[in-house]
Amino acid sequence: AQKVTQAQTEISVVEKEDVTLDCVYETRDTTYYLFWYKQPPSGELVFLIRRNSFDEQNEISGRYSWNFQKSTSSFNFTITASQVVDSAVYFCALIRSDTGRRALTFGSGTRLQVQP
Amino acid sequence: DAGVIQSPRHEVTEMGQEVTLRCKPISGHDYLFWYRQTMMRGLELLIYFNNNVPIDDSGMPEDRFSAKMPNASFSTLKIQPSEPRDSAVYFCASSFSAHTSYGYTFGSGTRLTVV
Repeated sequence: AQKVTQAQTEISVVEKEDVTLDCVYETRDTTYYLFWYKQPPSGELVFLIRRNSFDEQNEISGRYSWNFQKSTSSFNFTITASQVVDSAVYFCALIRSDTGRRALTFGSGTRLQVQP
Repeated sequence: DAGVIQSPRHEVTEMGQEVTLRCKPISGHDYLFWYRQTMMRGLELLIYFNNNVPIDDSGMPEDRFSAKMPNASFSTLKIQPSEPRDSAVYFCASSFSAHTSYGYTFGSGTRLTVV
């Protein structure tokens, strides 16, 4: 069975602060993919990043960075110098990459509020 | 590409009525997924199809829910009879099997309110 845990239900920061969203996952598979999605107030689900279980390199994209640590089964997401537009619910998700179950398993989400 | 198209965007119906949600996946995608989002349960998978065949419907809440995919470009999720606890946002998503690692493309969702 697969499980994704986002222990932080809601985080509130002031603009320009850095913030890290935690994600811990459980899977018996050796090959899998991890994702982060953003759900702004408008409601759509926006893909942010995917990471292969064999690739533990951290990734940086502008103000966003991701830290994947297989040893702790974590895939954390950091926003540097947060902005009001970052206010959204962020979901971490997991999918098997073999021929098994193809469905994404989502965490419960973290609501980020960035105050001006 | 127009993306995954869901209709209607909003639906308000009375308890006991039949509700049909519609989804048009991205052309060429061979997987289609229906998810439901509620405050209490978050994003939960209801059912998914591969090449129009239902693969896993273990998430369908009960017999009141049914889903079909008559062809590669169309799917429906039907609730009959609807109940207030069915109020939620229903998302459809599609993906291409060779690119499962890319995750899915989600539609904009249908917000269902059952009064």
